[in-house]
Amino acid sequence: GAGVSQTPSNKVTEKGKYVELRCDPISGHTALYWYRQSLGQGPEFLIYFQGTGAADDSGLPNDRFFAVRPEGSVSTLKIQRTERGDSAVYLCASSSQGGREGTEAFFGQGTRLTVV
Amino acid sequence: AQSVAQPEDQVNVAEGNPLTVKCTYSVSGNPYLFWYVQYPNRGLQFLLKYITGDNLVKGSYGFEAEFNKSQTSFHLKKPSALVSDSALYFCAVRDQGGKLIFGQGTELSVKP
Repeated sequence: GAGVSQTPSNKVTEKGKYVELRCDPISGHTALYWYRQSLGQGPEFLIYFQGTGAADDSGLPNDRFFAVRPEGSVSTLKIQRTERGDSAVYLCASSSQGGREGTEAFFGQGTRLTVV
Repeated sequence: AQSVAQPEDQVNVAEGNPLTVKCTYSVSGNPYLFWYVQYPNRGLQFLLKYITGDNLVKGSYGFEAEFNKSQTSFHLKKPSALVSDSALYFCAVRDQGGKLIFGQGTELSVKP
């Protein structure tokens, strides 16, 4: 597609449930990023992929959070045993040239996750 | 460690007046700096970037930004603000590992 696509756009889940959030990057972009954004805050880094491998996962808050990108394109962010504090907008972005140096990242519309 | 600071939570400007949204950064090595805009319930949209060269960078929608190495700043500017410019603005820096680090954002409000 023309841009970064994230599905679903909204997700409401009960505390303790498992959720998966999907990101389709711009075709050919090798770098893919996940961020989390709370209301009125800047995007908080979670994880960054170069191709299929996680180049930096230092932003994942705990072991309930996991992300994969098995074929170097689509990525899935997985959250186990969700907590109310996980409620936020989860943003995905992709970047060409491996995301190096001056290449900008293009963002999707985000998935708004609400844990009740 | 790389970081970005946006000292103003909110900037208020009258339509037609010039606007400035401030950003300072801390990096080791060459800075790669970006500005993004976010409209309500939307994702972030890229505005402009500084990589190297001319300190005045021009971007989308009439915005520009001035890179100042001695002051470690990258302020966003526009000569004449529009009501439609009202949005949340984020400054970001790319760290040596490749990820973007964002500031906390500045809410720009342009009144008619």
